[in-house]
Amino acid sequence: QKEVEQDPGPLSVPEGAIVSLNCTYSNSAFQYFMWYRQYSRKGPELLMYTYSSGNKEDGRFTAQVDKSSKYISLFIRDSQPSDSATYLCAMAKAGTALIFGKGTTLSVSS
Amino acid sequence: KAGVTQTPRYLIKTRGQQVTLSCSPISGHRSVSWYQQTPGQGLQFLFEYFSETQRNKGNFPGRFSGRQFSNSRSEMNVSTLELGDSALYLCASSLAVAGGLETQYFGPGTRLLVL
Repeated sequence: QKEVEQDPGPLSVPEGAIVSLNCTYSNSAFQYFMWYRQYSRKGPELLMYTYSSGNKEDGRFTAQVDKSSKYISLFIRDSQPSDSATYLCAMAKAGTALIFGKGTTLSVSS
Repeated sequence: KAGVTQTPRYLIKTRGQQVTLSCSPISGHRSVSWYQQTPGQGLQFLFEYFSETQRNKGNFPGRFSGRQFSNSRSEMNVSTLELGDSALYLCASSLAVAGGLETQYFGPGTRLLVL
């Protein structure tokens, strides 16, 4: 079993839809959880960073961490065509390197 | 503030050759990490350098090596290239302050094609 699992999609939604992206993980020692967005031919950019459990909101984006279920989510409200990208979850223990999911490709049509 | 820069952006090599990729971190950032990204394996950690010392290493063969200079700039080298080394190589820098997990900022990557 891989440490981090992420459905690669692709996921296609109409503009204005609520998007839910998810990752599961197996290592209960992970404390830091992140979501990156990667546009085609670009490097990943950090969207959300959560320490331990709970929710975090930033504009149209909400990140949730459920450590008891080893499950993290990213919600995008009122999705826009500019949100079309690959979304990567990443997680780590203190002092160790990030472990990334393989990414979910999202396409938002206008 | 300028972002992470990587050179070259694209590279074509043949099997058996070696290649050196360069990364300039964001000014003031002391840690540089390297990743390999492929469609099949996703983003995989290669190594991290801090103050010219390798601090963490991923599960890659010894053909992959790196170094960091006193100005925090970093290079990675791949010797005896194989077809499977074709990938996007990403560099990320962070401040490396004590405690917590440092936020990493990625460069645009170097796309390597091995023929």
